Amino acid sequence: QKEVEQNSGPLSVPEGAIASLNCTYSDRVSQSFFWYRQYSGKSPELIMSIYSNGDKEDGRFTAQLNKASQYVSLLIRDSQPSDSATYLCAVSRGSGYSTLTFGKGTMLLVSP
Amino acid sequence: DTGVSQDPRHKITKRGQNVTFRCDPISEHNRLYWYRQTLGQGPEFLTYFQNEAQLEKSRLLSDRFSAERPKGSFSTLEIQRTEQGDSAMYLCASSLGGTGVEGYTFGSGTRLTVV
Repeated sequence: QKEVEQNSGPLSVPEGAIASLNCTYSDRVSQSFFWYRQYSGKSPELIMSIYSNGDKEDGRFTAQLNKASQYVSLLIRDSQPSDSATYLCAVSRGSGYSTLTFGKGTMLLVSP
Repeated sequence: DTGVSQDPRHKITKRGQNVTFRCDPISEHNRLYWYRQTLGQGPEFLTYFQNEAQLEKSRLLSDRFSAERPKGSFSTLEIQRTEQGDSAMYLCASSLGGTGVEGYTFGSGTRLTVV
C-alpha cells in the first residue's frame, strides 16, 4: 500500500464550481497534513496546512481532516481557470520524523 | 527574504560526469530538505538537515549522492557518475524548525538532464 494516495485525475470542473480533491494515507501516527499547488514546470507552493480533525478554511480553500479514516481533502470554492494545476497532498511521516511524504498529485482542470 | 534559491536552474550533463547543485534556504530557516521529482510523480525525499547536521537520508539515495550543509546555511547536493535515471527536477526546501512538522517553502528547482 502506498503511503499517500491521490487520484491522478484529471479532475475537470467548470468555472465557479466546487472542486473536491481527496487524499488517503497509511501511517496512523501522522500528525501534520499539507496541500501544495504545483503549476506545470514550477515548484510546489504551500496553500494549506491542517493538524486537527475537522475543517480549516482559508479564503476559497477548505481543508478537511479525518484521522480515524486516514483521509484528507481539499475543497476549492468558486473554482477559477487559474486554479488549474496539480494539487499535491503531503503527510508527515509520524513520530520522530521531520519530513513529509508526498502523493503523486491530482491534476485539476477548470474550464471557463 | 528572497525565498529559497537554487542554482543552476537547468543542467545538462553527459552520463558519467559529476554534478553539484546549490541551495540557499530562507535565512531564518534551520531545516533544509532535498527532494527529487520526475514527471507525473510527487516529490520524493532524499535527505534532510537541521542546521549543519544531516539527520535523515533516504534509503533510495545511492552512495553516488552526497549532500552537505557545512555552516548550517547553504547546502550542496552532488551526484557522482551520473546515470540517465538521475534525470529529474531536484527540489530544495526549507522550514523554520520547531517542535512539530511545518510546511516547507520550495525553491524553483534544478532540472537535471543526463544525456
